[in-house]
Amino acid sequence: QTVVTQEPSVTVSPGGTVTLTCAPRIGAITSGYYPSWFQQKPGQAPRALIYSTSNKHSWTPARFSGSLLGGKPALTLSGVQPEDEADYYCLLYYGGFWVFGGGTKLTVL
Amino acid sequence: QVQLQESGPGLVRPSQTLSLTCTVSGGSVSSGSYYWTWIRQPAGKGLEWIGRIYVTGSTNYNPSLKSRVTISVDTSRNQFSLRLNSVTAADSAVYYCARESAMTGIDHCGQGTLVTVSA
Repeated sequence: QTVVTQEPSVTVSPGGTVTLTCAPRIGAITSGYYPSWFQQKPGQAPRALIYSTSNKHSWTPARFSGSLLGGKPALTLSGVQPEDEADYYCLLYYGGFWVFGGGTKLTVL
Repeated sequence: QVQLQESGPGLVRPSQTLSLTCTVSGGSVSSGSYYWTWIRQPAGKGLEWIGRIYVTGSTNYNPSLKSRVTISVDTSRNQFSLRLNSVTAADSAVYYCARESAMTGIDHCGQGTLVTVSA
């Protein structure tokens, strides 16, 4: 079974910067895994933020950015707002099927 | 702006078949630019990718569900559907349908529908 690991929970202060990462159990991720990132607030559907490692959708706030850090897909939030408190999921492509990470609960406190 | 809406029974008996339909508006399932996807989320847990279908009928499935899942498309109704056989309580979840663009990945999701497996 393919397992993709994310930090279970992260806390950040308003206005701060935080980086969330995503990694398979074994090996490094390249852009060929087309990492995507999603935000999900309680009771809502997931909302796409980032695709293909670092590309933003037209609705993605500028404070969100995606990258590869040390072989891991990363989502950075700069200037965190209270409304950014949510669950964040990465999604990786394994050549025929996609796998979601376990998710990170981001608390803004 | 594309919109997706899931529909189907909210309660399914164990060992029976779960069947859901996703109706697409503001876009066409016949478009060659998209895959049409199902995702689920058990209560209090993370997201799980179930599978996808292309307009040609070509499908890809999560290896862990492949033996029980069928996704189909109905271009005349602009819908696509999910069937999951031999369900157990572990299949209880909110099921989302979604659109995957060849260029931008999964970009739009429906609001989700809760399916409970119980006798």
